[in-house]
Amino acid sequence: GEDVEQSLFLSVREGDSSVINCTYTDSSSTYLYWYKQEPGAGLQLLTYIFSNMDMKQDQRLTVLLNKKDKHLSLRIADTQTGDSAIYFCAADSGTYKYIFGTGTRLKVLA
Amino acid sequence: GAGVSQSPSNKVTEKGKDVELRCDPISGHTALYWYRQSLGQGLEFLIYFQGNSAPDKSGLPSDRFSAERTGGSVSTLTIQRTQQEDSAVYLCASSLVSAEQFFGPGTRLTVL
Repeated sequence: GEDVEQSLFLSVREGDSSVINCTYTDSSSTYLYWYKQEPGAGLQLLTYIFSNMDMKQDQRLTVLLNKKDKHLSLRIADTQTGDSAIYFCAADSGTYKYIFGTGTRLKVLA
Repeated sequence: GAGVSQSPSNKVTEKGKDVELRCDPISGHTALYWYRQSLGQGLEFLIYFQGNSAPDKSGLPSDRFSAERTGGSVSTLTIQRTQQEDSAVYLCASSLVSAEQFFGPGTRLTVL
């Protein structure tokens, strides 16, 4: 079945860039999403990219999509301590169902 | 507030007891989803409601799990005869059809 994979942990220093990677298997995915989950909170949509795009930039966030390799990345520029959270990649399966990755826990060191 | 709300925020129960988890979606959202988030796991889809259509129950892990949505609004997820492996955070989300899903804060269920 469809699968979305992410590395579990990433640690960066404040002010550096963070790059969180994700791979997915379903080539029919129309949209790919990045969600952020802060401790004790639900998921918050950060950004998304349509499958016919290869890049989307939104302030400090840059999403890159390599559709051939089914690889998605989220770059956070000038990472701040407030960016510490779990980041989930999700792919729609061509329907209302999202397939979520395991989440990458980002730790920002002051 | 106008967001998705869930109750209780935390639930501790004994193995074998039944629990009910509640979700209040955003007003006007016709689609409602339940997910389970286990430690170190991604979000596992459980069930999807859309308007008056039959729900998609394909993600429910066993017949101990059931959910209903009354009047197209509030939803209740029921777990009967809870087991320790049911311990997880249960997340609810709502959306307009085929649009961004808005998540609630979740209910953390601990089965002792």
